[in-house]
Amino acid sequence: ETGVTQTPRHLVMGMTNKKSLKCEQHLGHNAMYWYKQSAKKPLELMFVYSLEERVENNSVPSRFSPECPNSSHLFLHLHTLQPEDSALYLCASSQEIGGRTYNEQFFGPGTRLTVL
Amino acid sequence: RKEVEQDPGPFNVPEGATVAFNCTYSNSASQSFFWYRQDCRKEPKLLMSVYSSGNEDGRFTAQLNRASQYISLLIRDSKLSDSATYLCVVNLNAGNMLTFGGGTRLMVKP
Repeated sequence: ETGVTQTPRHLVMGMTNKKSLKCEQHLGHNAMYWYKQSAKKPLELMFVYSLEERVENNSVPSRFSPECPNSSHLFLHLHTLQPEDSALYLCASSQEIGGRTYNEQFFGPGTRLTVL
Repeated sequence: RKEVEQDPGPFNVPEGATVAFNCTYSNSASQSFFWYRQDCRKEPKLLMSVYSSGNEDGRFTAQLNRASQYISLLIRDSKLSDSATYLCVVNLNAGNMLTFGGGTRLMVKP
């Protein structure tokens, strides 16, 4: 596989469920990101991992829990979500130099999440 | 004021037209600028980076105006396949966070 992959592509869950989103990058990058894209709103950055350490948590509710076991994999663990959490969740990766983004971020296809 | 602001459109143009989008950003110290393209229900993909002296890639020209804190994207000879949402993206602060504008929707009609 090439680029950035995400699974599942679609997910429907109830508010009491626990699920996880998976992201894998095959680009040799050292930084990974979770974004949320809701209808008619800009992409919202949720978490940033650089060299497997979380460097940004953008005021995200604790019902979202990220995990980065290595530089190629990123997870987003979900529990007790609300209907307003329904959105497209995008993973991205990039190669950081000196802790700064100079180059593009490559996005995965996203997971479309519906919370009932 | 939004950190990165774009006119949401839609811009409806005929094939062959020239169309331009602007995007304003809040932090005068911003260093990196990009235009991404997002097709309906797909992920964003880099269209082009924006360099201080301006740059061109085929029918697409990007400009940066630091004094007025805006970047622009010009599309010449529009194709039907150019129909998409164009996202203005800025690295507002030193670090690895990119801030996305809300996007400008372009619809090219036959």
